[in-house]
Amino acid sequence: DVKVTQSSRYLVKRTGEKVFLECVQDMDHENMFWYRQDPGLGLRLIYFSYDVKMKEKGDIPEGYSVSREKKERFSLILESASTNQTSMYLCASSPPAGNTGELFFGEGSRLTVL
Amino acid sequence: TQLLEQSPQFLSIQEGENLTVYCNSSSVFSSLQWYRQEPGEGPVLLVTVVTGGEVKKLKRLTFQFGDARKDSSLHITAAQTGDTGLYLCAGLLIQGAQKLVFGQGTRLTINP
Repeated sequence: DVKVTQSSRYLVKRTGEKVFLECVQDMDHENMFWYRQDPGLGLRLIYFSYDVKMKEKGDIPEGYSVSREKKERFSLILESASTNQTSMYLCASSPPAGNTGELFFGEGSRLTVL
Repeated sequence: TQLLEQSPQFLSIQEGENLTVYCNSSSVFSSLQWYRQEPGEGPVLLVTVVTGGEVKKLKRLTFQFGDARKDSSLHITAAQTGDTGLYLCAGLLIQGAQKLVFGQGTRLTINP
């Protein structure tokens, strides 16, 4: 069964802390994405990556960075967490360009910043 | 401005009733997906439509892609409590770099 696994389902952090959210996929997909999901705003794209060591900004990259050292792993980093980064974070992967855009999501990481 | 408008945003109906959720845009999409998300979980892909006018059925769920590939609908017949969840549409823009845009979602509650 194909899977996208996010390391932490629930996290509580304090303002100013550095936060790492890890995502691993076992489908050998080239493309990986980080979204955040907030009520009334839907899913918003933070960063994405089409290949190892490659990253592109999404619609709301401010306050975030990413790392893709291996094909199967895509990490989201909050250098200095703030309360407005409290959200549900979703990692997803998809096959390479030319596909129909279908995404395979992880179960999500609910982050609360106090 | 939301590129993909979903309606209604909230829907609460009794078990056994029928319902339709709409996804509309002024943009053309090369494909459109529908996802269902349960509380505390990530979205799960239900269907992808790629051809204008295409209709796909998944048991009691019927998905339609508009002829101009700007809109889509999801119709559920004889809703069951297990259909409760957040339904998301997402379209792959046909112009420029491949970009997937999401609707805001429809939160569906089926009451027993």
